[in-house]
Amino acid sequence: DAKTTQPTSMDCAEGRAANLPCNHSTISGNEYVYWYRQIHSQGPQYIIHGLKNNETNEMASLIITEDRKSSTLILPHATLRDTAVYYCIVRVAGSNSGYALNFGKGTSLLVTP
Amino acid sequence: ETGVTQSPTHLIKTRGQQVTLRCSSQSGHNTVSWYQQALGQGPQFIFQYYREEENGRGNFPPRFSGLQFPNYSSELNVNALELDDSALYLCASSSGPGTGGRTEAFFGQGTRLTVV
Repeated sequence: DAKTTQPTSMDCAEGRAANLPCNHSTISGNEYVYWYRQIHSQGPQYIIHGLKNNETNEMASLIITEDRKSSTLILPHATLRDTAVYYCIVRVAGSNSGYALNFGKGTSLLVTP
Repeated sequence: ETGVTQSPTHLIKTRGQQVTLRCSSQSGHNTVSWYQQALGQGPQFIFQYYREEENGRGNFPPRFSGLQFPNYSSELNVNALELDDSALYLCASSSGPGTGGRTEAFFGQGTRLTVV
């Protein structure tokens, strides 16, 4: 699976949009981009995933560049409860070798009042 | 709430002992994966079970073993515990490796293991 690079930490004011970047320059054509987050002392929570088109759900939007070498997770109106570590992960679709997620170190997002 | 439950929530063991952690997967999911998360690190993949067989393993020694039962629940067993085994152990369920790239995994709250 391709390696990802994320900033170590970011701050965001409550009510503002939080834009979390992720670089995955070695991504292959059959690899999806996944985002998970982990609030302190809890299990990771799935946020969103996509292949090449932009995706939106009730939690966030995922913007993938046309060359697919980077993506941005957007939390449109950040709240204090969005303070968490955010992980960007790429994974091969339909792999039969197991659902291994390579979490890396992620981005620690702090939402401030 | 993800529907994935783990037990116990906390556990203290002595070095050299053996431990068994348990996980009940979300309804409809037939695949369970286990992760180890040391303090300040991201989760590390241990192994996955699909239809009661190991179907993928990370860089962990053989003293880490597991089982999956016909109801898709799972156990993680660790023998000869070492101090470095102290970590949060996470279980995740999903709907099968064949669809892994297009579906999400749902995680339990984890078991905090402390080895003294």
